[in-house]
Amino acid sequence: GQNIDQPTEMTATEGAIVQINCTYQTSGFNGLFWYQQHAGEAPTFLSYNVLDGLEEKGRFSSFLSRSKGYSYLLLKELQMKDSASYLCAVEGSQGNLIFGKGTKLSVKP
Amino acid sequence: SQTIHQWPATLVQPVGSPLSLECTVEGTSNPNLYWYRQAAGRGLQLLFYSVGIGQISSEVPQNLSASRPQDRQFILSSKKLLLSDSGFYLCAWSDRGYYGYTFGSGTRLTVV
Repeated sequence: GQNIDQPTEMTATEGAIVQINCTYQTSGFNGLFWYQQHAGEAPTFLSYNVLDGLEEKGRFSSFLSRSKGYSYLLLKELQMKDSASYLCAVEGSQGNLIFGKGTKLSVKP
Repeated sequence: SQTIHQWPATLVQPVGSPLSLECTVEGTSNPNLYWYRQAAGRGLQLLFYSVGIGQISSEVPQNLSASRPQDRQFILSSKKLLLSDSGFYLCAWSDRGYYGYTFGSGTRLTVV
């Protein structure tokens, strides 16, 4: 079966660092995506990992371990505008994206 | 550049009424097209995807249907809405490239 797990909610302080974990079990793997979704809006692309290791893009980084079925999204220097849901998604063997339920991040002053 | 348009933004419909949501993509040809639904407190659920004109694959059996009459047009329909059809409907496209899917702005459907 297809299963993607991530924490339901997280809280962090402005200026801090937060790590959002994602574990997956899917039939086939063609890459892992992270999306950001503000309340009432569509998801927007953040990052893509297909090989093991860390991908860095500004304040956001994403890590992948294919052998462990594990990824994390690291957000540095948190800002209030980072309050949103973060969706982990795996591209399966048929090319479709399978999404986790998302992690709602609340950034406090 | 590629853009995706989805309308309407919000919709309130009575139970038993029909539904038609439209999505169009500009700036690309032969895209893969997708319809997702996001119910309150739940993840994105893939409803339909299409790899070409007239080619529709259904992921979840339900009272919804999809059609692709033109290369860059994707339509989600229902003949009779149920209360459980309420949710946030998102259209997306991809060319299997680096950036995965690009989503439309979504339609918030409330069935009353």
